[in-house]
Amino acid sequence: QVQLQESGPGLVKPSETLSLTCAVSGYSISSGYYCGWIRQPPGKGLEWIGSINHSGSTYYNPSLKSRVIISVDTSKNQFSLNLSSVTAADTAVYYCSRVVTNRFDPWGQGTLVTVSS
Amino acid sequence: EILLTQSPATLSLSPGERATLSCRASQSVSSYLAWYQQKPGQAPRLLIYDASNRATGIPARFSGSGSGTDFTLTISSLEPEDFAVYYCQQRYNWPLTFGGGTKVEIK
Repeated sequence: QVQLQESGPGLVKPSETLSLTCAVSGYSISSGYYCGWIRQPPGKGLEWIGSINHSGSTYYNPSLKSRVIISVDTSKNQFSLNLSSVTAADTAVYYCSRVVTNRFDPWGQGTLVTVSS
Repeated sequence: EILLTQSPATLSLSPGERATLSCRASQSVSSYLAWYQQKPGQAPRLLIYDASNRATGIPARFSGSGSGTDFTLTISSLEPEDFAVYYCQQRYNWPLTFGGGTKVEIK
């Protein structure tokens, strides 16, 4: 059974860097699927952040590209998100997902990150 | 960027009724459109991919249709567990984008 689990701080100060990790189980990241990050501000819709494959090839949303780095650690079967210079507008539930031909399936349970001093 | 517009924003129906949700793209996405269901406090779940293919384990009451710019998700007979928010998503072009969602609520 494929499962993904996000982890990381629930509170980040403005101007700092948000860092999250997604632990994958039930399949190997090296098998060829991409992995992706999606976020959802409270009470709002979904926004794709970016995707990465096992060799480190990345695609980012242009709206966030200047602040985002997604990386992969195949030895730990996990991938990570770094979002720099955060503001209150970055407060959201952050989801990781396996990406199957650019659709998201399945998703992690999500983790709420609040940006506040 | 391809904009996806979902309508209506809210659909009020009773269990057993038929639900018809719309997703319109700002330019053609061929058949590269997916639908997701999200219940309160839960992550989205893939229902339909490539416009009309049900994902694994999705009941037959869910069906998708359309191509180009106009797509429809139909729930043939609403079950109590189907009341949720539904999102469409295109994979035709970067960046991947989602629609704003349709909430299906109990009337």
